[in-house]
Amino acid sequence: KNQVEQSPQSLIILEGKNCTLQCNYTVSPFSNLRWYKQDTGRGPVSLTIMTFSENTKSNGRYTATLDADTKQSSLHITASQLSDSASYICVVSDRGSTLGRLYFGRGTQLTVWP
Amino acid sequence: EADIYQTPRYLVIGTGKKITLECSQTMGHDKMYWYQQDPGMELHLIHYSYGVNSTEKGDLSSESTVSRIRTEHFPLTLESARPSHTSQYLCASSGGEGLTEAFFGQGTRLTVV
Repeated sequence: KNQVEQSPQSLIILEGKNCTLQCNYTVSPFSNLRWYKQDTGRGPVSLTIMTFSENTKSNGRYTATLDADTKQSSLHITASQLSDSASYICVVSDRGSTLGRLYFGRGTQLTVWP
Repeated sequence: EADIYQTPRYLVIGTGKKITLECSQTMGHDKMYWYQQDPGMELHLIHYSYGVNSTEKGDLSSESTVSRIRTEHFPLTLESARPSHTSQYLCASSGGEGLTEAFFGQGTRLTVV
C-alpha cells in the first residue's frame, strides 16, 4: 500500500531556531517528492520538488533532502520566522500511471513562538 | 502566484440543498483535481480529470459529481448536502508530462447544518 508518513505530528520552536521535519514513504514506483506549506484555511503552496536523482534542494531558508534508497526525506528550516507557522506536507508522486498520482502525508504542524 | 481560483471561500448551507463549488484556472492545464481535507488530516483525492469531457473518481468515495466541459473549469456539485459533507475542498491543476508542478486553489470551507 502506498503511504506517506510524517513526523513529528506537531512542533513548537522559538523564533530564530532551526528545525527538521521528517517524511518516510512506501510509494512505488517512485517519481518525485514534494514539500508543500499550507497556511491555515488556505491551499498548499509548493516549496521544493525532487526526483530520485536529487539528494538536496534549497528554496531560501528551506532545504529538502531525499534518500531514495531508504525512502526518506527531510525538510530543514533555518532561522525560523513567525510566518513559518503552518502545516508542512510531504507529497510523493508515483509514475505508475499517466496521472502521476499524488500521495499526501498528514503534515507536520509547525508553530513558531516569538 | 498560481492562477487557480475557487469560489466561494466559505459556505454555510442547510441540509438537502444543492450546491456547486467552482474551480477555474487560467494556465491551460489539462489535469485538474478535487481533494477533500478534514482538519489536521491529509488530503484525499475525490475526483480528477485528464482534460475536457474526462472525469474519474478518486481514492475517497464521494457523493459529489464533477464536470469538465471547458479546460479552465472543473466544478464540483453536491445534489443534496448533508452534515457529513462538512469539510474543506481543494482544487488543483497541473500541466504537461513528467515532473510538473501541481497548483492549488485557496480552498472552499463547506459547513452543512
